[in-house]
Amino acid sequence: NAGVTQTPKFRILKIGQSMTLQCTQDMNHNYMYWYRQDPGMGLKLIYYSVGAGITDKGEVPNGYNVSRSTTEDFPLRLELAAPSQTSVYFCASGGAGDTDTQYFGPGTRLTVL
Amino acid sequence: AQSVTQLGSHVSVSEGALVLLRCNYSSSVPPYLFWYVQYPNQGLQLLLKYTSAATLVKGINGFEAEFKKSETSFHLTKPSAHMSDAAEYFCAVTDTGGFKTIFGAGTRLFVKA
Repeated sequence: NAGVTQTPKFRILKIGQSMTLQCTQDMNHNYMYWYRQDPGMGLKLIYYSVGAGITDKGEVPNGYNVSRSTTEDFPLRLELAAPSQTSVYFCASGGAGDTDTQYFGPGTRLTVL
Repeated sequence: AQSVTQLGSHVSVSEGALVLLRCNYSSSVPPYLFWYVQYPNQGLQLLLKYTSAATLVKGINGFEAEFKKSETSFHLTKPSAHMSDAAEYFCAVTDTGGFKTIFGAGTRLFVKA
């Protein structure tokens, strides 16, 4: 099993550009999450999904959008990138909501200049 | 509202010494508690979790944590540190019936030879 995969691993964007961070899981998990990790700040939840077609905002959703058309995929869209979005982004999936273990991808390091 | 406080952003121990990483939580209902580990340039991996069974929870790599309701703590320990334990450790909390996991800011563990 590949688990949770994320692409790309690294990306540099110019201010105002857009991009999509890809996330795929092969564990048939219903729950999927997007976090951002900034130094000394832990992980902040951006968006989450409880199943195909169902998404909701987390703690820091501004500037991001998500969709969940299949169980496996949960892409994160950045529109009009800003320097404040420079961060490491992690996708995670879990089987039974937040009381179950979350499985994390390797992360995408994004720099906005 | 839930919250997690990890005391000490950096902890340094000698190889073979006791590892103690502190975590205090705030939750209005019985919580689910987790410790995750993050090795450099990787995603988070579950070390152990407390889900209201035994208060002393054993995890991978010789780590364990004790849930103390009276102290609202879930400290992580390992009797003898190994060089390979050098990583960042995150404590996390979820309310039973809740939907989102709150992560602490993380504690980076350094192990000296």
